Amino acid sequence: GESVGLHLPTLSVQEGDNSIINCAYSNSASDYFIWYKQESGKGPQFIIDIRSNMDKRQGQRVTVLLNKTVKHLSLQIAATQPGDSAVYFCAENISGSQGNLIFGKGTKLSVKP
Amino acid sequence: NAGVTQTPKFQVLKTGQSMTLQCAQDMNHNSMYWYRQDPGMGLRLIYYSASEGTTDKGEVPNGYNVSRLNKREFSLRLESAAPSQTSVYFCASSLNRGGTEAFFGQGTRLTVV
Repeated sequence: GESVGLHLPTLSVQEGDNSIINCAYSNSASDYFIWYKQESGKGPQFIIDIRSNMDKRQGQRVTVLLNKTVKHLSLQIAATQPGDSAVYFCAENISGSQGNLIFGKGTKLSVKP
Repeated sequence: NAGVTQTPKFQVLKTGQSMTLQCAQDMNHNSMYWYRQDPGMGLRLIYYSASEGTTDKGEVPNGYNVSRLNKREFSLRLESAAPSQTSVYFCASSLNRGGTEAFFGQGTRLTVV
């Protein structure tokens, strides 16, 4: 079946560097994507979203890029901080489906001080 | 504004016991969800309620039942717990199904022995 996946299960970066977390999706009918951050022992927390009619969206220190041609989603975190250490999930919503979010398996980001 | 509140936070059950996980949201959201999270599996949808008065199966509904008690509350019941149901359970809500972000509770860590 079609599903959301991630290229890298773990990512280790130096504090102050930029981080890029990648996500591949296989359903061309997906029209809405979200990135969530999950800290240890907590529930997922919304970071940023993007709709399929856009290819880039920026938030505070975060940017999401969407490449529909290759079905690829990425989350860029600028000036990564120790507080950014967490597991990051991408999720997709398939247009015309029952409308529920489908989550990828997650990437663990570790920030070294 | 508490967001999504789940109880209990931790629970240990013996095989065959039953229990109900409670969830309430105060954001006036129409849609509510129950997910389970297992290591390496990401978040998998158990049941959802698109609106008050409706419930539907998600990806992994076997062994569970749900009740949308009112607009605020959505409970998950395990009638006869099995070790395979050891997991972390998350309740979430969204304004509507599809195309909107979901807000998550803090999770219930359930162990079935």
